[in-house]
Amino acid sequence: AQSVTQLGSHVSVSEGALVLLRCNYSSSVPPYLFWYVQYPNQGLQLLLKYTSAATLVKGINGFEAEFKKSETSFHLTKPSAHMSDAAEYFCAVRRPSGNTPLVFGKGTRLSVIA
Amino acid sequence: EAQVTQNPRYLITVTGKKLTVTCSQNMNHEYMSWYRQDPGLGLRQIYYSMNVEATDKGDVPEGYKVSRKEKRNFPLILESPSPNQTSLYFCASSPWPSNTEAFFGQGTRLTVV
Repeated sequence: AQSVTQLGSHVSVSEGALVLLRCNYSSSVPPYLFWYVQYPNQGLQLLLKYTSAATLVKGINGFEAEFKKSETSFHLTKPSAHMSDAAEYFCAVRRPSGNTPLVFGKGTRLSVIA
Repeated sequence: EAQVTQNPRYLITVTGKKLTVTCSQNMNHEYMSWYRQDPGLGLRQIYYSMNVEATDKGDVPEGYKVSRKEKRNFPLILESPSPNQTSLYFCASSPWPSNTEAFFGQGTRLTVV
């Protein structure tokens, strides 16, 4: 079975500071990995995805994530936080083949302080 | 514009009164699914469908039904809602078999009193 652990249900950073949201996964096979963002009262929007190509993945809004197999991690980073980044972020995993659902982490709420 | 449309966005109902939440996508995706989102639990899959007339249970199917009579539509049915089904519901669709990205609707906030 696959699973995702997001460390920290709430992360607070100052505007302009580095954003680091942690995600560790468990999977018996090399997985596909995703980060989604959810703004208040909205659905989930894909930030970026890893599908076994380059291990450093760049997404929208200046976010990027690095797949590290040895650490089973897929942490999300952004060099400089903006007020508009305040949202909830979900890491998700699925097997690359077969009928397998997205398995989500419990989410990390990011607050950005002026 | 490619999108997944859910209706209604907000719904308050009473225990036992049947309701349907509609979901429609315009991307010709084969795969559709329903999730519920609860605080501290993330998103959990309720049901999914790999194509017309092909549906199956996800992780938390109890108390829910779905149907897939047309490729674009995937309604979620609560025959007898209970307060523990108060939640935020999302419909999602994906191309199949690539399934590399899920597109989500805006969500339906359901309250059962």
